Amino acid sequence: GDSVTQTEGQVALSEEDFLTIHCNYSASGYPALFWYVQYPGEGPQFLFRASRDKEKGSSRGFEATYDKGTTSFHLRKASVQESDSAVYYCALAVNTNKVVFGTGTRLQVLP
Amino acid sequence: EAAVTQSPRNKVAVTGGKVTLSCNQTNNHNNMYWYRQDTGHGLRLIHYSYGAGSTEKGDIPDGYKASRPSQENFSLILELATPSQTSVYFCASGRGDNYAEQFFGPGTRLTVL
Repeated sequence: GDSVTQTEGQVALSEEDFLTIHCNYSASGYPALFWYVQYPGEGPQFLFRASRDKEKGSSRGFEATYDKGTTSFHLRKASVQESDSAVYYCALAVNTNKVVFGTGTRLQVLP
Repeated sequence: EAAVTQSPRNKVAVTGGKVTLSCNQTNNHNNMYWYRQDTGHGLRLIHYSYGAGSTEKGDIPDGYKASRPSQENFSLILELATPSQTSVYFCASGRGDNYAEQFFGPGTRLTVL
């Protein structure tokens, strides 16, 4: 079945460091790809999406580029802040009703 | 105002008891979803709905039932709760097309003793 793999379970960085969280997917069709962020005590919230090859999604300084060739949608940010500490989920949607989420990556940014 | 709300926010239940988790959305979205969140598993889909009166099985439906009596409300029912169902449960709503994001509630922490 369709799946999303996030290789990093946890990432610890210092403020102003560069962030990369890896996301690879496997899908039977041509999926839409998403990043969600979850702050402590809250539900996940949509960060951004991309729906076709080479499309870049971005929001709040985070970005990711849809790469059909490597089946990847890696999340990047040039300079993280303590307020970015959260859990980040990569997700895909192939049909109209179901979204498949990765296992999440916990980001801790130290001041 | 929050568009997706869940009640209760915390629940302690006994093994074998019945538990109902409720969700209400004011987004006027057709689709609603129930997920559970566990360390190492991320978010897993339990049941979802296309609209009032419809429920569909997600990826891990065993031990759970769902009810969608109206556009706004979607319930998750554990008829015979077990300790393995201890988790955090999230409800979400969405338009239903492939590119639409989902809007999540704040979650319900369920502990089954």
